[in-house]
Amino acid sequence: AQKVTQAQTEISVVEKEDVTLDCVYETRDTTYYLFWYKQPPSGELVFLIRRNSFDEQNEISGRYSWNFQKSTSSFNFTITASQVVDSAVYFCAVSSGSARQLTFGSGTQLTVLP
Amino acid sequence: GAGVSQSPSNKVTEKGKDVELRCDPISGHTALYWYRQSLGQGLEFLIYFQGNSAPDKSGLPSDRFSAERTGGSVSTLTIQRTQQEDSAVYLCASSLAVLGGSTDTQYFGPGTRLTVL
Repeated sequence: AQKVTQAQTEISVVEKEDVTLDCVYETRDTTYYLFWYKQPPSGELVFLIRRNSFDEQNEISGRYSWNFQKSTSSFNFTITASQVVDSAVYFCAVSSGSARQLTFGSGTQLTVLP
Repeated sequence: GAGVSQSPSNKVTEKGKDVELRCDPISGHTALYWYRQSLGQGLEFLIYFQGNSAPDKSGLPSDRFSAERTGGSVSTLTIQRTQQEDSAVYLCASSLAVLGGSTDTQYFGPGTRLTVL
């Protein structure tokens, strides 16, 4: 069984602040994949990043960065210098080698105030 | 088309009626998934199609739900005798499955909002 916990239900920040969204996952498989998706008010889920279990290298893409730590089963997402357009619900998800479907966390609603 | 498309975007129906939701995956994508997003249950997996293999129906909540995929492309999710608890956004995703079993990135459509009165 797989499980993803996003303990932060809602976060509110002021524009230009940095913000970190937490994600803790559980899986019994040694090979697994981690994902972050963004769901803006329009409703469509937008893919942000995919990480596999054997690559713990952190990744940076513009203002976005991800910190993958196997030791704590965490895959946290940081937005640097947040902007109003970052306001959305962010979902963390896991997929193991034996089950291709995604298991999602409950999501974090991020509101960036001008 | 460029992305996953779904129709209709909104569907309002009466309790007890049957509904059909359609998904058109990204061209060339061999894997297709259905998920449901509701306030109480979050995002839940429903069913998965991969090429000509038997679908993985492990997420379907009841036998009122069924899905088919014709010609390895378009998929239809059917809900029979709809109930109020079926009200949700139904999301379709597709991926370019890689032989060998590695999970591939799923790209989602805009969803169909189903309201059962």
